[in-house]
Amino acid sequence: DAGVIQSPRHEVTEMGQEVTLRCKPISGHDYLFWYRQTMMRGLELLIYFNNNVPIDDSGMPEDRFSAKMPNASFSTLKIQPSEPRDSAVYFCASSRASLNYGYTFGSGTRLTVV
Amino acid sequence: DQQVKQNSPSLSVQEGRISILNCDYTNSMFDYFLWYKKYPAEGPTFLISISSIKDKNEDGRFTVFLNKSAKHLSLHIVPSQPGDSAVYFCAASASNQFYFGTGTSLTVIP
Repeated sequence: DAGVIQSPRHEVTEMGQEVTLRCKPISGHDYLFWYRQTMMRGLELLIYFNNNVPIDDSGMPEDRFSAKMPNASFSTLKIQPSEPRDSAVYFCASSRASLNYGYTFGSGTRLTVV
Repeated sequence: DQQVKQNSPSLSVQEGRISILNCDYTNSMFDYFLWYKKYPAEGPTFLISISSIKDKNEDGRFTVFLNKSAKHLSLHIVPSQPGDSAVYFCAASASNQFYFGTGTSLTVIP
């Protein structure tokens, strides 16, 4: 089991550019979550999917953010256009329907927008 | 509005002593609670959990206490070891969704 795989690990981009973060959940997990970690707000839930369907995107900060899950093994989080305040670590996590052991997180993508 | 709060951003403890990390929540519908541990440049990893029907769960050096009337959760680490130095997040669950606190950075001094 390779765990939740996120790419890239680091991304530095200029303000106004499009950024795409990628996630491969653990096989067999039917929930996928995107979180953002900042010093001020800790881990914030942006959006989550169940069986590839977006369930709650109320945490997505603005229309500049969008997420897709075209199949059970892949999800993307896109920011267009990016802004310096989007700089943060973005985590993807997946879980089975039973949450007795919580989520399994990926190693995160550190995004820096300059 | 933060439904899960960790009011201490950092904590330093001497090796061998007890570390106590605290967490408060506001939503009485939360029915499951977890602690995660996070090292730099890694994702959070599950540490210990507790259901709302219990008030204590122990796993080796780690014990989680739940006080539902006070809406308070705590993690005790005894004895603390330098390898425990990390950021600890508490999380509370309702309807298959976890809400995380802002984290407490624990430093265990050798």
